[in-house]
Amino acid sequence: SQTIHQWPATLVQPVGSPLSLECTVEGTSNPNLYWYRQAAGRGLQLLFYSVGIGQISSEVPQNLSASRPQDRQFILSSKKLLLSDSGFYLCAWSVSGGRKVKKLFFGSGTQLSVL
Amino acid sequence: DAKTTQPNSMESNEEEPVHLPCNHSTISGTDYIHWYRQLPSQGPEYVIHGLTSNVNNRMASLAIAEDRKSSTLILHRATLRDAAVYYCILRDSDYKLSFGAGTTVTVRA
Repeated sequence: SQTIHQWPATLVQPVGSPLSLECTVEGTSNPNLYWYRQAAGRGLQLLFYSVGIGQISSEVPQNLSASRPQDRQFILSSKKLLLSDSGFYLCAWSVSGGRKVKKLFFGSGTQLSVL
Repeated sequence: DAKTTQPNSMESNEEEPVHLPCNHSTISGTDYIHWYRQLPSQGPEYVIHGLTSNVNNRMASLAIAEDRKSSTLILHRATLRDAAVYYCILRDSDYKLSFGAGTTVTVRA
């Protein structure tokens, strides 16, 4: 069966520090991968998605970046965190291919607090 | 992206049915209607999806209006574990799934 791992679960970082969040998927090949962010009490905002190694699409201009160095690994990074980067970060995957019935499977999330 | 409109919150008593409405008046003919729910401090999980016909699974039922401009997620017997934020989403892209604010469901014991 497929599983998605996301870590760390919680993170407290000072403003201006770098960020690296990692997500890995097991049990499937060539998944579509996603990073979402959720501000407190708000809906989910799609940040990045990837349909293959090295292929990253950005949805929202910001000081965050994403990389996909391996087929089932997705990394969210920042060189200098801002206060506004605080939030709940979620990694997700779906099977690849052009079908609108594909389900999204989410990780357990990382609660990031920038102080 | 086609948009959906949901009530901000709904309350229900335990063991009673819950009907969660969703309006999507600008839906196109090829958009699928998806529902996800998010328990506190967790990632969303898939609930159900449909295109034109009503759908049932072990978690819920989805009733889709004949003109497809609205739909209703039905939880047949609410339990305390069903307290969550429920998102109604139109799948209008092969790659993206956009989440709105959803409906916060509270279940009273």
